[in-house]
Amino acid sequence: QQQVKQSPQSLIVQKGGISIINCAYENTAFDYFPWYQQFPGKGPALLIAIRPDVSEKKEGRFTISFNKSAKQFSLHIMDSQPGDSATYFCAATNTGNQFYFGTGTSLTVIP
Amino acid sequence: EPEVTQTPSHQVTQMGQEVILRCVPISNHLYFYWYRQILGQKVEFLVSFYNNEISEKSEIFDDQFSVERPDGSNFTLKIRSTKLEDSAMYFCASNGGLSTDTQYFGPGTRLTVL
Repeated sequence: QQQVKQSPQSLIVQKGGISIINCAYENTAFDYFPWYQQFPGKGPALLIAIRPDVSEKKEGRFTISFNKSAKQFSLHIMDSQPGDSATYFCAATNTGNQFYFGTGTSLTVIP
Repeated sequence: EPEVTQTPSHQVTQMGQEVILRCVPISNHLYFYWYRQILGQKVEFLVSFYNNEISEKSEIFDDQFSVERPDGSNFTLKIRSTKLEDSAMYFCASNGGLSTDTQYFGPGTRLTVL
C-alpha cells in the first residue's frame, strides 16, 4: 500500500515558469510533510516542510500548499531556474520515525 | 556546517557475502536512520534507531539486516548475505532532539551485488 502518492513523474518547465508537484496521502495521523530535493549522486536534502495546522508555507521561491480535508499537499516553485533541475520527493510521517516518501518527480527547467 | 558522512562511497560485493556500510551522523543528533533507493526509484525507509535500539523498521529490514552503534560516532548497517536485489544506494540520516526535526542525509553508499 502506497502511503504517499506523487505526481507527475516528470516535469519540464521553461525558465521563469512555475513548477507544481502534487502529493496525496492516506493516513490522517501524518503530522509532518517535508519536501526533499535530490541532485544526481547526492542524498536528499530538505527543501521545505509543513505541519497540518497551516495551509501554506513559503520560503523564498518555494511554497507548500496544504489541503487537510483533501489530504493533499503540493510544492510550487516560482520563477523556476535551470539550477532547480533535480528530483523532488514529498514525504510524510506521524511517529517521526518512519518517513514515507513519494515516488519522486524529475524536474527539468529549460533555459 | 556539520554533515552526515558515509563510507565507502561505492561497494562492490559478490552475492552471499556480508557487507557493512558505515555512517557518521552529526555529532549531537539522537535519531539515526537507514534508507535505500534502488536506481531511479523512490527512497525507502529501512530502520530508525534511538537510544541504542531499533525504534522502528520496515518489512524490507528482515533478518539479513542489522544495525549497530559500536561507539559514540559510528552507525553501521550490516547485510549478512547479500542478494542481487540488495543493489541500491543506501542513505544514512540523522536528526536532533525531536523525532520530526529535519533529517540530514549523507551522500550515500552505492552497493553493487554481483
